[in-house]
Amino acid sequence: NAGVMQNPRHLVRRRGQEARLRCSPMKGHSHVYWYRQLPEEGLKFMVYLQKENIIDESGMPKERFSAEFPKEGPSILRIQQVVRGDSAAYFCASSPRSTGTRTNEKLFFGSGTQLSVL
Amino acid sequence: GIQVEQSPPDLILQEGANSTLRCNFSDSVNNLQWFHQNPWGQLINLFYIPSGTKQNGRLSATTVATERYSLLYISSSQTTDSGVYFCAVDPGFVGTYKYIFGTGTRLKVLA
Repeated sequence: NAGVMQNPRHLVRRRGQEARLRCSPMKGHSHVYWYRQLPEEGLKFMVYLQKENIIDESGMPKERFSAEFPKEGPSILRIQQVVRGDSAAYFCASSPRSTGTRTNEKLFFGSGTQLSVL
Repeated sequence: GIQVEQSPPDLILQEGANSTLRCNFSDSVNNLQWFHQNPWGQLINLFYIPSGTKQNGRLSATTVATERYSLLYISSSQTTDSGVYFCAVDPGFVGTYKYIFGTGTRLKVLA
């Protein structure tokens, strides 16, 4: 029963390159969340996706960042034309669907991808 | 939006000591979780506790939703307890999981 899988664990990019971060949710989970953690800070929500749908992207920067969760395959967080300020740990979490109020639903996190922009 | 504050920001303990970490939130919440981020960066679920009290070994947590705070108790601390403890709350309604994280309590346990 594998947990949330993220890869790569570490990613180094030069300014202007593209970064692609992958996340496979836990088996049976159809909801994926991406969070960003800057050094010495807490996690900040970026985007919430279900299969083939972006539900809430209120935490995503307006430019250069995009996310998808296709019908088949992992969720992808893409950062185009990376800048040094994009250097951070990017965490993915998954959760099963809740159909009622106050159900015992938890977020389960992957180990994160540490992005370093040179 | 909802504010989540954690205290203390930093804590140094001698091995074997007990501690209490606090999480205050500014509005009512649907869900609340405590996480431990270990020195390798991994986030580990500790408790899902929107209300009430739970215990797991040396750790326990209490959330008083009406007073908008949660407490995490660590007893007989060990060096492996070192890391950052985050409280995260979901202020939304059914089907939303936009957890808002506090700034964390950085704990160091000395041998």
